[in-house]
Amino acid sequence: GNSVTQMEGPVTLSEEAFLTINCTYTATGYPSLFWYVQYPGEGLQLLLKATKADDKGSNKGFEATYRKETTSFHLEKGSVQVSDSAVYFCALSENQGGSEKLVFGKGTKLTVNP
Amino acid sequence: DTEVTQTPKHLVMGMTNKKSLKCEQHMGHRAMYWYKQKAKKPPELMFVYSYEKLSINESVPSRFSPECPNSSLLNLHLHALQPEDSALYLCASSLGGRRFGNSPLHFGNGTRLTVT
Repeated sequence: GNSVTQMEGPVTLSEEAFLTINCTYTATGYPSLFWYVQYPGEGLQLLLKATKADDKGSNKGFEATYRKETTSFHLEKGSVQVSDSAVYFCALSENQGGSEKLVFGKGTKLTVNP
Repeated sequence: DTEVTQTPKHLVMGMTNKKSLKCEQHMGHRAMYWYKQKAKKPPELMFVYSYEKLSINESVPSRFSPECPNSSLLNLHLHALQPEDSALYLCASSLGGRRFGNSPLHFGNGTRLTVT
């Protein structure tokens, strides 16, 4: 079956540092790929997405590129802020009968210190 | 602010109680989902409704009973739960339908359930 493997944390960075969280996937077909973020005490929010190979998703300074040749979708940000502290989940989407089944990675907790 | 509203935010119930979790969205989405999330883990899919019909049940115990009264509402009825059912229960919605394949899910903030 489809699966997602992401770098397990926790990751601790200083403000303005460069962030990379690695994510690789195994899938049949061509799934869409997502990064979701979960702030403390909240549900998940969509951070960015990519629907086909070589697509780049971007939002709030975060970027990730859908790389079919390496089956990867690594999350990057050039300069993190304290407010970016959260848990980040990489996910792929399988459409089943008109609804989406998300396969999540285990999540990576990011802490950014001032 | 999330566009998927869940109530209550917190719930404490005994093992003999019956309670319900509620979820509402007004984005015109036709697929709605229940997920369970334990601490420091990713969400686990429980149920999916597509066009108000149950389309996926991930072998969830019968003490959890979902209901979709209309396209905007989703309930999860709870009865005779166990302490290990304590978790964050997340509702989500998406556009739904094959035409909008791979549309992102919109999550609510969840109900924090404690079973005593």
